[in-house]
Amino acid sequence: QKEVEQNSGPLSVPEGAIASLNCTYSDRVSQSFFWYRQYSGKSPELIMSIYSNGDKEDGRFTAQLNKASQYVSLLIRDSQPSDSATYLCAVETGNQFYFGTGTSLTVIP
Amino acid sequence: GAVVSQHPSRVICKSGTSVKIECRSLDFQATTMFWYRQFPKQSLMLMATSNEGSKATYEQGVEKDKFLINHASLTLSTLTVTSAHPEDSSFYICSARAVGIGEKLFFGSGTQLSVL
Repeated sequence: QKEVEQNSGPLSVPEGAIASLNCTYSDRVSQSFFWYRQYSGKSPELIMSIYSNGDKEDGRFTAQLNKASQYVSLLIRDSQPSDSATYLCAVETGNQFYFGTGTSLTVIP
Repeated sequence: GAVVSQHPSRVICKSGTSVKIECRSLDFQATTMFWYRQFPKQSLMLMATSNEGSKATYEQGVEKDKFLINHASLTLSTLTVTSAHPEDSSFYICSARAVGIGEKLFFGSGTQLSVL
């Protein structure tokens, strides 16, 4: 059974702080990893994809992948109130995508 | 990024009627499309995987005769909820796997189905 686990939160950070979101996965053969942002009542929006160990930066977002530990994280620098949403971790294995339950993030002005 | 169009965005129907939801990839070809449903404050639940030109693969517990999926072309998949009942009320989201754009999944805007 393939599992993707996230802390459901809620996670609250003050505006301007760094928000750290974590995700672990169970299948060692997983190759592709994604972070999606979902606002209430809306569909998920792709923020980051990462395929190899290490860090990948895109603007205020940094994804980190450690395949040995089966761990992927998302850092949001200079958090803004507009970043308040649920963040879904997704892992691609074979032809399937598996999602975590999401972490609710609230950025407090 | 790639665009996935999903229609309608909201449907209200009477119990017993059928509802069709369309999912189109606008600027890329999608060999595989996925259909999810999501209840309030819960994560995405994969219902089925549809591959162009073949039968859909349904997840355990999803009734294939109730949720009919057709993926007739590389840019269109449809989900038909047959004989809808109030318990089918949910947020349905399609997603498409893009050919040639890596292993990325792009989502439609979702359809909020309310069955009275």
